[in-house]
Amino acid sequence: KAGVTQTPRYLIKTRGQQVTLSCSPISGHRSVSWYQQTPGQGLQFLFEYFSETQRNKGNFPGRFSGRQFSNSRSEMNVSTLELGDSALYLCASRVAGGPNEQFFGPGTRLTVL
Amino acid sequence: AQSVTQLGSHVSVSEGALVLLRCNYSSSVPPYLFWYVQYPNQGLQLLLKYTSAATLVKGINGFEAEFKKSETSFHLTKPSAHMSDAAEYFCAVSTETSGSRLTFGEGTQLTVNP
Repeated sequence: KAGVTQTPRYLIKTRGQQVTLSCSPISGHRSVSWYQQTPGQGLQFLFEYFSETQRNKGNFPGRFSGRQFSNSRSEMNVSTLELGDSALYLCASRVAGGPNEQFFGPGTRLTVL
Repeated sequence: AQSVTQLGSHVSVSEGALVLLRCNYSSSVPPYLFWYVQYPNQGLQLLLKYTSAATLVKGINGFEAEFKKSETSFHLTKPSAHMSDAAEYFCAVSTETSGSRLTFGEGTQLTVNP
């Protein structure tokens, strides 16, 4: 079974721009979560989508948004980029319900100049 | 709300020595606990998980962890370190109500010396 895939793997943007990251979950997984990883703040939960609905949201500004499509693929969008948005963005998928583990993708490394 | 504290941001061991990475959690409801490993430029890989069954959990690559409720701990151990174990390790907690939302510790960078 193919793992979680994320595209692109690397991105360079400038302040004020917007960016869209994509995540394809493992086949059959309907829950997709996004995390931000930075050296200063560590791993922080952004949001979770299940059946095209946002089910849970972390403590991030409204510039961070996401969506999920009917095939469970998910995108996250960051508008009006700031230098502090430079991070590794990780997507994870799981079989929803219970303590099922999440499977992580390789991440998208975003650099904001 | 849940939280995780990993004691020691850097741990260094010799090849063949015992690996002990410490994790303490805080949760007002029964927790689910996880250990993940991250190699450079990669995502997170699950090592093992505790979900209220056996308190001693065995994972991949010879790692295991013991859930101790009285100490609110979930320390990760491996009897004999291998060079390939060098990576960053994260302890994480979730609960029935938090769903997919994992709360991670700060991470512990493990160095294995020859």
